[in-house]
Amino acid sequence: DGGITQSPKYLFRKEGQNVTLSCEQNLNHDAMYWYRQDPGQGLRLIYYSQIVNDFQKGDIAEGYSVSREKKESFPLTVTSAQKNPTAFYLCASSNWGRGSNQPQHFGDGTRLSIL
Amino acid sequence: AQTVTQSQPEMSVQEAETVTLSCTYDTSESDYYLFWYKQPPSRQMILVIRQEAYKQQNATENRFSVNFQKAAKSFSLKISDSQLGDAAMYFCAYGDYGGATNKLIFGTGTLLAVQP
Repeated sequence: DGGITQSPKYLFRKEGQNVTLSCEQNLNHDAMYWYRQDPGQGLRLIYYSQIVNDFQKGDIAEGYSVSREKKESFPLTVTSAQKNPTAFYLCASSNWGRGSNQPQHFGDGTRLSIL
Repeated sequence: AQTVTQSQPEMSVQEAETVTLSCTYDTSESDYYLFWYKQPPSRQMILVIRQEAYKQQNATENRFSVNFQKAAKSFSLKISDSQLGDAAMYFCAYGDYGGATNKLIFGTGTLLAVQP
């Protein structure tokens, strides 16, 4: 079945450590997105990518980095510069094109906590 | 900048009854999309329904329907014959039409409880 796979489901980070969250999709979607979800808040966009080897900052990109070397993969690195990384992280993908807005399909998420 | 507001942090409905979740948004665009997503306790985001702003007819998906009032910038979700499985967080989202991206702007969500 086509879908989006995020791993791991739970992740713990030590002070000063970088951690990488994985996101893989087999939907053949062009665009991929990373969101952060905090209690009482909606989803906030961290980074997005419309095509391989290209990505753009979202609303809260500071302290995060991404890469898009393959169409199906869009890993997110939470760097030590992100001082409050504890949150639920959701990856999404969609088809993309001007003059349309294709629904985004989401993975099951990764919960990141600080040790 | 576009914004999405959900003014009801929590709602409750009796099983088999009807409930309406509110959403308002702000935009200067004339063409755009609006979405309702459901997030059950499993935390996966599930698309419930989608509305294109250029369509006057309200979208419907089985027990879910919307009341889209473009002039008032209002986009409410009606759930008919509520079921226990409808209990979830519901997010309203706005998306550009014809823009350079498919970025979505989400509201803060409404937590729906369904009472047996």
